[in-house]
Amino acid sequence: AQKVTQAQTEISVVEKEDVTLDCVYETRDTTYYLFWYKQPPSGELVFLIRRNSFDEQNEISGRYSWNFQKSTSSFNFTITASQVVDSAVYFCALSEAKRGAQKLVFGQGTRLTINP
Amino acid sequence: GAGVSQSPSNKVTEKGKDVELRCDPISGHTALYWYRQSLGQGLEFLIYFQGNSAPDKSGLPSDRFSAERTGGSVSTLTIQRTQQEDSAVYLCASSLGLAGGAGETQYFGPGTRLLVL
Repeated sequence: AQKVTQAQTEISVVEKEDVTLDCVYETRDTTYYLFWYKQPPSGELVFLIRRNSFDEQNEISGRYSWNFQKSTSSFNFTITASQVVDSAVYFCALSEAKRGAQKLVFGQGTRLTINP
Repeated sequence: GAGVSQSPSNKVTEKGKDVELRCDPISGHTALYWYRQSLGQGLEFLIYFQGNSAPDKSGLPSDRFSAERTGGSVSTLTIQRTQQEDSAVYLCASSLGLAGGAGETQYFGPGTRLLVL
């Protein structure tokens, strides 16, 4: 069975600090996809990134970066120089890559608060 | 282009009543998903539609829940005889549906907040 664990329930930091959100996953599949979504106070889930299991290159997008390590089954998300607008709940999710198994399995989410 | 839209935004109903929630996917997306977000259970998959294939209903919590998708586009999630534990945010998502949608990015709507009194 697939499982995603986000051990950090809540994180609070001061603006401009760097912060890392942890995500650990379990799957028996060799091919799978990992995602991060942001849920701001408005409630809508906003897509941030998608990675497949064969691509372990780290990715950077502006102040956001992702570290994918298959050896530890982790897909961590770092925000550099955090800003108040980064305050949201962040979800990590896992999807199988085979037809008929399209559902996303989500972690419990990490509530990130950036204080001015 | 327009994103996924859902209606109503909020719904308050009395226990035992039926409710219908609507989802309009992104134009051109053939795969459509329903999820539920509640405090106790987090984000849970409910049902998945892909083109004309039989839907994957494996996440529906009881036979009071059903969904249909007409004309390959708009979907309606129906909850019969609502219970207080059905109170949650119901989220709809869509994806392109290429290769059956496997591993595709799902784009979410704003959700319908359901409160059962």
